[in-house]
Amino acid sequence: SQQGEEDPQALSIQEGENATMNCSYKTSINNLQWYRQNSGRGLVHLILIRSNEREKHSGRLRVTLDTSKKSSSLLITASRAADTASYFCATASTGNQFYFGTGTSLTVIP
Amino acid sequence: EPEVTQTPSHQVTQMGQEVILRCVPISNHLYFYWYRQILGQKVEFLVSFYNNEISEKSEIFDDQFSVERPDGSNFTLKIRSTKLEDSAMYFCASSVWDRVQPQHFGDGTRLSIL
Repeated sequence: SQQGEEDPQALSIQEGENATMNCSYKTSINNLQWYRQNSGRGLVHLILIRSNEREKHSGRLRVTLDTSKKSSSLLITASRAADTASYFCATASTGNQFYFGTGTSLTVIP
Repeated sequence: EPEVTQTPSHQVTQMGQEVILRCVPISNHLYFYWYRQILGQKVEFLVSFYNNEISEKSEIFDDQFSVERPDGSNFTLKIRSTKLEDSAMYFCASSVWDRVQPQHFGDGTRLSIL
């Protein structure tokens, strides 16, 4: 199975702190994407990193990818209460299947 | 900004009945997907659809499931004979091109099987 696994499963931080979530996967990938899900809503795409990239930034988000370790991390800097959500990594290899990880539930305390 | 829309938002059905979940993908997108998320669990891929045919499907997508694009805008998921374990959120997504592009998700249909 290609499915990613995030850790930690749950993370609680104070507003203004940084949040780091990790994702590990099992097979070679074409790209890795991070998504966010607010409670009861659909997933929202945050950032895509290709297998030949090592780091990518988008606003307060920083994603790294280590294909040798089959892992990725998502860093949210200067967190806000509105960042409270579940965060999922998704991997795509050959074909058109996306495998989502188990997710990290982030709570940012105001 | 264009959105993926799903209807209904909540569907309650008796076990054994057929159910059709509807989605309107973003108009210039070419790839369409269905996922399900059982309460508290991960999002699971069901099927991808391109050029009016199934591109990929998972082991979950067995003979009780089917997808269709009946017209130029709708994309449907049919479950023929629902089981209790089909209770889940079902998400539709679309992307401009294939897996290397971000997917845009609808807000889902909550399916409750009684």
